[in-house]
Amino acid sequence: DQQVKQNSPSLSVQEGRISILNCDYTNSMFDYFLWYKKYPAEGPTFLISISSIKDKNEDGRFTVFLNKSAKHLSLHIVPSQPGDSAVYFCAASGGSGGYQKVTFGIGTKLQVIP
Amino acid sequence: KAGVTQTPRYLIKTRGQQVTLSCSPISGHRSVSWYQQTPGQGLQFLFEYFSETQRNKGNFPGRFSGRQFSNSRSEMNVSTLELGDSALYLCASSPRRQENTGELFFGEGSRLTVL
Repeated sequence: DQQVKQNSPSLSVQEGRISILNCDYTNSMFDYFLWYKKYPAEGPTFLISISSIKDKNEDGRFTVFLNKSAKHLSLHIVPSQPGDSAVYFCAASGGSGGYQKVTFGIGTKLQVIP
Repeated sequence: KAGVTQTPRYLIKTRGQQVTLSCSPISGHRSVSWYQQTPGQGLQFLFEYFSETQRNKGNFPGRFSGRQFSNSRSEMNVSTLELGDSALYLCASSPRRQENTGELFFGEGSRLTVL
């Protein structure tokens, strides 16, 4: 049962243009949604998150949008840079009693072409 | 502040053997989670430990187990290794504040190859 889905395994974007990565989820009880970035031979690093009670969060070139009615979130990167080339994981956290279970999607590989 | 440290970084085992992986969390972080990453499957949650107790568990067979020590360091063990256990095993720590934001700090992982 895949509760967090990333349907695009890869994405190629020209440098300077916008990158849009998409994610769908099925569990309405998730409290937070997050994006992580992973370079080869490194562990994932936290990029940006959004609370389930908000619909937008922005941090520099990165913006995450949440559409609760559609159970969909997206990450926008503007402008895209070659250093943004990595695998991006969508994730969601939820649970009672402070239990820390984070559910990840399978990832989208972003390639930014100079 | 030192990051999450995982050892060993790479290891090769044969089917039927067992393996133990180690994780030292960021100082002050008391929660440690383990994930398995394989191509096409993303990061699959194995388990989470807090205060030496397993708090949550993913859908993995009993061959996968773990523990946490009083200093928050954690180990995971896989017994009777199968070819399908070949993966990158990632450890993540968090301060585990009251609010469950889901922000995790990952180590670089232990790459296990089963032959």
